[in-house]
Amino acid sequence: DTGVSQDPRHKITKRGQNVTFRCDPISEHNRLYWYRQTLGQGPEFLTYFQNEAQLEKSRLLSDRFSAERPKGSFSTLEIQRTEQGDSAMYLCASSLVGPSGNTIYFGEGSWLTVV
Amino acid sequence: GENVEQHPSTLSVQEGDSAVIKCTYSDSASNYFPWYKQELGKGSQLIIDIRSNVGEKKDQRIAVTLNKTAKHFSLHITETQPEDSAVYFCAASISGGGSNYKLTFGKGTLLTVNP
Repeated sequence: DTGVSQDPRHKITKRGQNVTFRCDPISEHNRLYWYRQTLGQGPEFLTYFQNEAQLEKSRLLSDRFSAERPKGSFSTLEIQRTEQGDSAMYLCASSLVGPSGNTIYFGEGSWLTVV
Repeated sequence: GENVEQHPSTLSVQEGDSAVIKCTYSDSASNYFPWYKQELGKGSQLIIDIRSNVGEKKDQRIAVTLNKTAKHFSLHITETQPEDSAVYFCAASISGGGSNYKLTFGKGTLLTVNP
């Protein structure tokens, strides 16, 4: 049973560059979430998908951020024109919404450092 | 929106002692409360969760209690071991038909178990 997988695990980029993170959820999970975590804080919700539909975006998700889940399976999170304030760990999570509830499983995260 | 407060921010115990971490939440509609363990450089691993229709849940050395009236819930770890050392996050969400299930996290507690 593979868990949520994220790639790359670490990324160092220069300010102004674009970066893209990929998330492969647990197979057959219909919900996919993106969270951001900075040092000393808990994860903060960014956005989520139900299958391929993006149903909610946090106000933390500026216009420079875009997330997709084109076929309802893997997802990408792209950050354009990165800023130093974007440095954080980006966490992907997935779940299967059903009668028994919605247990959310997290990946190991993608660390972004903007220099 | 939901606000989750978590205390203490750091906790140091001797191996074999018990550890208790407490969280409060603000939204009375929240009905699902998971706890996650995050080890250095890794994502968040679900260790236990509780739904609002029960007051206590136990899994081996780990237990969670919930007081809906007071809007607080706690994690109890008994017979602590060095491998319990990690950052623990509490979270709250609204679970149920039509819900987005998004989690609001506390800021985390760094637990250190000294051998």
